Amino acid sequence: EPEVTQTPSHQVTQMGQEVILRCVPISNHLYFYWYRQILGQKVEFLVSFYNNEISEKSEIFDDQFSVERPDGSNFTLKIRSTKLEDSAMYFCASKQSQGGEKLFFGSGTQLSVL
Amino acid sequence: GESVGLHLPTLSVQEGDNSIINCAYSNSASDYFIWYKQESGKGPQFIIDIRSNMDKRQGQRVTVLLNKTVKHLSLQIAATQPGDSAVYFCAEKISTGNQFYFGTGTSLTVIP
Repeated sequence: EPEVTQTPSHQVTQMGQEVILRCVPISNHLYFYWYRQILGQKVEFLVSFYNNEISEKSEIFDDQFSVERPDGSNFTLKIRSTKLEDSAMYFCASKQSQGGEKLFFGSGTQLSVL
Repeated sequence: GESVGLHLPTLSVQEGDNSIINCAYSNSASDYFIWYKQESGKGPQFIIDIRSNMDKRQGQRVTVLLNKTVKHLSLQIAATQPGDSAVYFCAEKISTGNQFYFGTGTSLTVIP
């Protein structure tokens, strides 16, 4: 069964450093998302991406965050200058079309900012 | 932001019993709902979905019920097994957007 893959599974970084989280969405999907989950809390929406541009973003997704689809398969989330409060599990997700279609998640990248 | 909440943060059931997990949502414009299962250290796993033009949908051992009048969603798991132990989230999508809003989750523990 096709799946969303994320790398790395764990990332440890120093405060102020830049990190790039990588995702390979399901190949025929057109809508891509990043969510995050702070330990013990609910899954929070960060950003959605379609047709090579951001379609929606939350208040969390400030100027320190950016997303990119550098080629036909990868979808990345960059945090320019990490803060302690950025420590969370980051999930990539994708879905095939605009309608209420199933949203599939990757297994996540656990980001720890020290 | 939107509000999707769960009535009970934890639920313990005996193996073989049926489980019911509840979810309240606040936006009457939501037209699509998904139940996800999340095991420790893993990403949310799709279980079952339902559109707002339906009241009930059944899958393998799972049933989702939607009551639009009171904006309530439930997940019923029949003959609960130890492998069903996880956190269960409901997620809603409003008709005019593409983002999903998640509830806080219910932790289901199945007692052998």
